[in-house]
Amino acid sequence: EAQVTQNPRYLITVTGKKLTVTCSQNMNHEYMSWYRQDPGLGLRQIYYSMNVEVTDKGDVPEGYKVSRKEKRNFPLILESPSPNQTSLYFCASSLALVETDTQYFGPGTRLTVL
Amino acid sequence: AQSVTQLDSHVSVSEGTPVLLRCNYSSSYSPSLFWYVQHPNKGLQLLLKYTSAATLVKGINGFEAEFKKSETSFHLTKPSAHMSDAAEYFCVVSDYSSASKIIFGSGTRLSIRP
Repeated sequence: EAQVTQNPRYLITVTGKKLTVTCSQNMNHEYMSWYRQDPGLGLRQIYYSMNVEVTDKGDVPEGYKVSRKEKRNFPLILESPSPNQTSLYFCASSLALVETDTQYFGPGTRLTVL
Repeated sequence: AQSVTQLDSHVSVSEGTPVLLRCNYSSSYSPSLFWYVQHPNKGLQLLLKYTSAATLVKGINGFEAEFKKSETSFHLTKPSAHMSDAAEYFCVVSDYSSASKIIFGSGTRLSIRP
């Protein structure tokens, strides 16, 4: 089944404790991205990657890191989480960086930083 | 710069009555436009998309949207609401000539009354 998977689905952590949220897709998509969803703000893009070893900042990159060492994986790293990073996070992928491409979303990771 | 405005944060309709979710956009280019749906505790799923072909776009589950360039609108409609339509709906503009390549609206929560 074609899908985007994320782990963990739920995470509660404390300020400053490094964490990684994994994202994997099995559709051989080139383009992957991370979003955060906050009430009343819709989804905002954190980082995106057009292909292996190619990443770029989205609209809200501060406090986040990403890497793209393999085509299928695109982990999101919070080196020193803070409470304002409490949010619902979505990973997405699409075939390429083309305007008309549909994005496929993972199920989401709900992160709480205390 | 591109932007998306969903004019209603919450819409409530009775089962069997029409649904109208409004979306206006601004873009300096000819964008692609999407509607995604998010059911509770789920990821986002594509409903339909406009990619400069027919201006009336049909999607899944009986939804459709009409691209009106003169009004810069892309409203989502359905003739008869079903209880299973209760969800959050996001209008998205995709313009890869822009620095912010993909912009999400803030979302409209659709409630269905029995």
